[in-house]
This record gives sequence, structure tokens and C-alpha cells, in this order.
Amino acid sequence: DQQVKQNSPSLSVQEGRISILNCDYTNSMFDYFLWYKKYPAEGPTFLISISSIKDKNEDGRFTVFLNKSAKHLSLHIVPSQPGDSAVYFCAANRDDKIIFGKGTRLHILP
Amino acid sequence: GAGVSQSPSNKVTEKGKDVELRCDPISGHTALYWYRQRLGQGLEFLIYFQGNSAPDKSGLPSDRFSAERTGESVSTLTIQRTQQEDSAVYLCASSLGVVVSGAFFGQGTRLTVV
Repeated sequence: DQQVKQNSPSLSVQEGRISILNCDYTNSMFDYFLWYKKYPAEGPTFLISISSIKDKNEDGRFTVFLNKSAKHLSLHIVPSQPGDSAVYFCAANRDDKIIFGKGTRLHILP
Repeated sequence: GAGVSQSPSNKVTEKGKDVELRCDPISGHTALYWYRQRLGQGLEFLIYFQGNSAPDKSGLPSDRFSAERTGESVSTLTIQRTQQEDSAVYLCASSLGVVVSGAFFGQGTRLTVV
């Protein structure tokens, strides 16, 4: 039972354009949603989070949007930069348990 | 240390042998998580510690897997009678327990069972 789903295994975006990474979830009881970024041979690093009571959180080039009625969240990166090429994991939290999606590999094209 | 440290970084073992993976969390972090990432897959939750107790062991794949944490610091994940399907990167993360600020991951232990 996959509670956090990232349906796009990969995404390619031109440098300077907007990258939009999508995530769907099934459990309406999640408290927080998080995005992590992972480079090869490294552990994931925390990017940004959003509380379930909010619909938007912005941090520099990164913005996360939450649509509770659709059980959908997205991460927007603008403008996209070469260093953004990585695997992005969507995650959801309840009772301190963090459940991850399978990840989306983002390629930023020159 | 400044970050989450895992050892060994790589481990190759023969099928049927036992292995022990170690995680040193960030000092003062009360929450500790173990995840596993198989090739081409996402992060699979294994177990979560709050202090020295494990309120959620639901992700452990079988009774060959066990984990403990002592002194609210170091944790060890033990896999007995390893199988080839246990081959994966095992990731440890720790947090202050306030999940909104995220959990910090170590670099992982790459386990290969031959």
C-alpha cells in the first residue's frame, strides 16, 4: 500500500525554466509534507516542508503547494539551475513516521 | 560529529551470513530512522526510534531483521542469515523529533549479498 506516490520517474527541464515535481498521497491524516533532494552516493537532504494546514510555503527558488482536496502536492523550482539535477523525494509525516515516495529524477538541460 | 555517520560505507557478505550496520546520529537528536533503498526503488521505511524505544517496527521485512538503540545515540541494524534480496543501500536518519525541520540522513551503507 503506497501512501505517497510520485508517478513520474523522471523529468527533463531546460535551465532557467520552471521545474514542477508532483506527488499524490492517500492518507488524509498526514501532518506535514516534505521534499528531499538526493545526489548519487549521498544521503537525501531536506529541502522544504509544508504543514497540512497550509496551502503554500516558499523558500527562495523553491515553493511547495498543497491541495488537500485533491491529496496532491507539488514542488516548483524556478529558475531551474544545473545543480538542481538530482532525485527528488516527496515524503509525508504522521506521528513522527516519515513515509517516502519512490522519487523523481530531475534533469536540468543546458 | 557534525552529521549522521554510518558504518561501514560498503559491505559485501556471503549469503547466509549475519551483518551489523551502525548509525551514529547527530548528538541530541531523539528520533532515529532506518530506511532501505533497493536498486531503482524509493526509500522503504524499516523502523523508527524515539529515544531508545521503537514505537514503530512495522517496516522490518522479516524476523531476520532487528534493530536496537542504546543511550539515545548509536543504533545498530542487524540482518541475520542474509539473502540476496537484502542487497540495498541502508540509510539512517535522525531528527530532533520536530519533523517540520526535516530529518538528517547519513550517506548510507551499501550492502551487497553474494
